[in-house]
Parts: sequence; C-alpha cells; structure tokens
Amino acid sequence: EAQVTQNPRYLITVTGKKLTVTCSQNMNHEYMSWYRQDPGLGLRQIYYSMNVEVTDKGDVPEGYKVSRKEKRNFPLILESPSPNQTSLYFCASRQGQGQQYFGAGTRLSVL
Amino acid sequence: AQKITQTQPGMFVQEKEAVTLDCTYDTSDPSYGLFWYKQPSSGEMIFLIYQGSYDQQNATEGRYSLNFQKARKSANLVISASQLGDSAMYFCAMREGRVIQGAQKLVFGQGTRLTINP
Repeated sequence: EAQVTQNPRYLITVTGKKLTVTCSQNMNHEYMSWYRQDPGLGLRQIYYSMNVEVTDKGDVPEGYKVSRKEKRNFPLILESPSPNQTSLYFCASRQGQGQQYFGAGTRLSVL
Repeated sequence: AQKITQTQPGMFVQEKEAVTLDCTYDTSDPSYGLFWYKQPSSGEMIFLIYQGSYDQQNATEGRYSLNFQKARKSANLVISASQLGDSAMYFCAMREGRVIQGAQKLVFGQGTRLTINP
C-alpha cells in the first residue's frame, strides 16, 4: 500500500529541546516536502527535496532543518523549538507531476 | 499576492443538497494543475480531484466535480448529494508548471469548513 508515514503523530515538548519528526515513503518518489498548517493560513511549505542530498527552502524555513540521506526518508529537525512552531505538520511526496501523497500529520505543541 | 483564494471560511448545507466550494487562482503560467483536498477532523489530507490547465473537460470523481472556468481563473468544487461524512475542511491548491527555483510546490488556499446538517 502506498504510504507516507510520519512519527510521532502527537508531540508536546518544551522550548529549546531539540526534536526530530521522521517521514518515510514507500513509493520511491523523488520529490518530498514538509508543510505546516496554521488556522486561517492553509498549508505553507517549509522545505522540499528534489532527490537524495538535494534540499531547498520553502516559504517558511526559519527554525527548521532537513536532510535527505536516503530516498525514502526526509526528517524535519527543530534544533531549538519555540512556541511559534506549535502547529500541525505534514510530510508529502510525489513523483514528477503526479499526485502528492500526504502523511497523517504531526501535531506539535511547544510550551 | 495571494495565489489561491477561498472566500468562504465556513458553509452550512442540508444533507442531500449539492454544494459548491469556491476557489479562484492567480498565475501567469500557462501550465498548471489545480487540486482539491479534504481534511476531516482526524487531520489527514485526502486527495479528491485534479484539473490540468490544458484539460478540455471538467474533472469528475464520483460525487465530486470541478467547475473549471479558465478565463475567470476559478476552479470550484461541486459535491453532489452531500452526506454527513462530507463535513470537513476543504482546501484548494495549485501547482504551477514552470519550475521556479526548483520548487513546483503546491500553494494552498486558506480552506473552507463545510458542515452538513441532517
């Protein structure tokens, strides 16, 4: 079954404590991206990756890092989380111009 | 400038009625794709329907159809015979064909919360 898997689904943390949200896809897609969703703003792209070792900033990259060491994995790293990073996060992947597949989402609260 | 505009923050519709969710877009690229996603209260993003800018006919997927009016730059989602399970947040999104800094990202509207009343 085609899947984008994110972990954890829910996370409550404190300001400054480094965290990683993992994302894995089983469709051999080249393109992967991270979005955050905030009320009234829809989804905004944080980072994207065109292929292994190729990543670039989206619209709201401040405070985030990513890496793409393997084709299937695209973790999102928050080195020093702050309360304004409390949000719902989605990982997505697609191949070429095809449909974008989304993970189930990660609800992050930073206290 | 907003690329995708959804002007209806919320809609309330009686069960079994048809509903139209509005979406207008802004692009100068002749090649683009338009998407609709459904987000139920559980949070996942569910792909509903896709319309390419060069498609001659309006896209349809079961009870979903996309009313594509290219000259007006609108891509409204029509849900026929609404059901209680259609209550959710609905997002319109666009991907432009021209590669801008390698992105070709999906740009989303703010969403419309649809509530179906029994």
